[in-house]
Amino acid sequence: AQSVTQPDIHITVSEGASLELRCNYSYGATPYLFWYVQSPGQGLQLLLKYFSGDTLVQGIKGFEAEFKRSQSSFNLRKPSVHWSDAAEYFCALYPDSNYQLIWGAGTKLIIKP
Amino acid sequence: DTGVSQNPRHKITKRGQNVTFRCDPISEHNRLYWYRQTLGQGPEFLTYFQNEAQLEKSRLLSDRFSAERPKGSFSTLEIQRTEQGDSAMYLCASSLRPQETQYFGPGTRLLVL
Repeated sequence: AQSVTQPDIHITVSEGASLELRCNYSYGATPYLFWYVQSPGQGLQLLLKYFSGDTLVQGIKGFEAEFKRSQSSFNLRKPSVHWSDAAEYFCALYPDSNYQLIWGAGTKLIIKP
Repeated sequence: DTGVSQNPRHKITKRGQNVTFRCDPISEHNRLYWYRQTLGQGPEFLTYFQNEAQLEKSRLLSDRFSAERPKGSFSTLEIQRTEQGDSAMYLCASSLRPQETQYFGPGTRLLVL
C-alpha cells in the first residue's frame, strides 16, 4: 500500500539550531515527493518538491530535502531555524493516480527562544 | 496571478443548516481539488475536477456533500444538513497538469454548533 509516515508528531528546536524532519514513504516506483508548511489557521505552502534528477532539492526559506531511495526517505533539513519557522510540516507523495496526494500526519515544529 | 482564493475564511453554523464554500483557482489551472483537514491530521481528499468535469469523489464523502465547477473556473462545495462532525478546515488546491504541484488556498474553517 502507498503511504507516507512522519514519525515525529512534535519536534522542539532552539532558535539557531539545525533541523531535520523525517519522512518515510511506501511506494513501488520512484514517487513525486513534496514538503508543505502550514502556519496556524492557514493553508498549505509548498516548500520544495522532488520529481527526478538531483536527489538533493533546494526549496524556499532556506530548506532542503534529500531523496534516499535505499531508505525510502525524503527528510527535510534547515541549517539554522528562525522563530518564524514554527509551524506544521507535511510530507506528501503522488502515487499511481494523477490527482490524489497521499499525506503524512504532519510534524509540528516548536522553536525555543 | 493572485493564487488560490477561498471564501468565506470562517463559517459558524448551527447543526442542520446548509453551507456553501467557494474556491477560485489560479486562472490557468484546469485541475481543482477539495480537501478536508481536522486538527492534527494531514489533508483528506474529497473530490477532484478537470475543467468542469468531476472526475473523482472520495468514498468517504457522504451524500450530504456536493461540489460543482460549472464553467471550469471557480468551484463551490456545499454541505447539506451539517453535523458537528463536519467541523474542519476545507482546503482547495489547483494545478496546471496531472502530477504537478498543487497550490493551496487559505482554507475555510467551518464550525458546526
